[in-house]
Amino acid sequence: DAKTTQPPSMDCAEGRAANLPCNHSTISGNEYVYWYRQIHSQGPQYIIHGLKNNETNEMASLIITEDRKSSTLILPHATLRDTAVYYCIVIGGKLIFGQGTELSVKP
Amino acid sequence: SAVISQKPSRDICQRGTSLTIQCQVDSQVTMMFWYRQQPGQSLTLIATANQGSEATYESGFVIDKFPISRPNLTFSTLTVSNMSPEDSSIYLCSAEEGARYGYTFGSGTRLTVV
Repeated sequence: DAKTTQPPSMDCAEGRAANLPCNHSTISGNEYVYWYRQIHSQGPQYIIHGLKNNETNEMASLIITEDRKSSTLILPHATLRDTAVYYCIVIGGKLIFGQGTELSVKP
Repeated sequence: SAVISQKPSRDICQRGTSLTIQCQVDSQVTMMFWYRQQPGQSLTLIATANQGSEATYESGFVIDKFPISRPNLTFSTLTVSNMSPEDSSIYLCSAEEGARYGYTFGSGTRLTVV
């Protein structure tokens, strides 16, 4: 499974868009990009995933670059409840977590 | 997506004893996974559990310490054996649901060994 690189922490103002970047330069053709988040003391929560096309659901949008070497998770209107650790994971068969990005949404 | 019930949610155990954690999924799933999350750390995969075969352990984890059962497509257990304070962690199970829903997690078991 390809390795991912994320900034350790980010801040975002409440109501603004949160853009969380992820580098996965060693991704191979059949590996998906998944995003999860973990709110303190809870199990990880699935957000979104994609292979090569941009994806959108009720929680977020996922933008994957054309070369697939990086992606951005977008939370369009961040709320205080979006404060969590966000994990970008490239999956070839099993879910291997990196250190993630700790997002703090501030009033 | 599937719902995973994990129990116990927390426990305090004496060193040298064993604890079995149960994970029940409300639908049939092929692959289940067990993770450990030490305080302030990310999740570390312990093993993959497929029904009808022995679990596959990641580097640094062995069957004698973390025996796993997978008797059917909706249930799995993880036992933490001969516990020491270093085993104090959150243990989580996960199930693969395919391309649409990805992987779903239980709420975790917070284990404290004293």
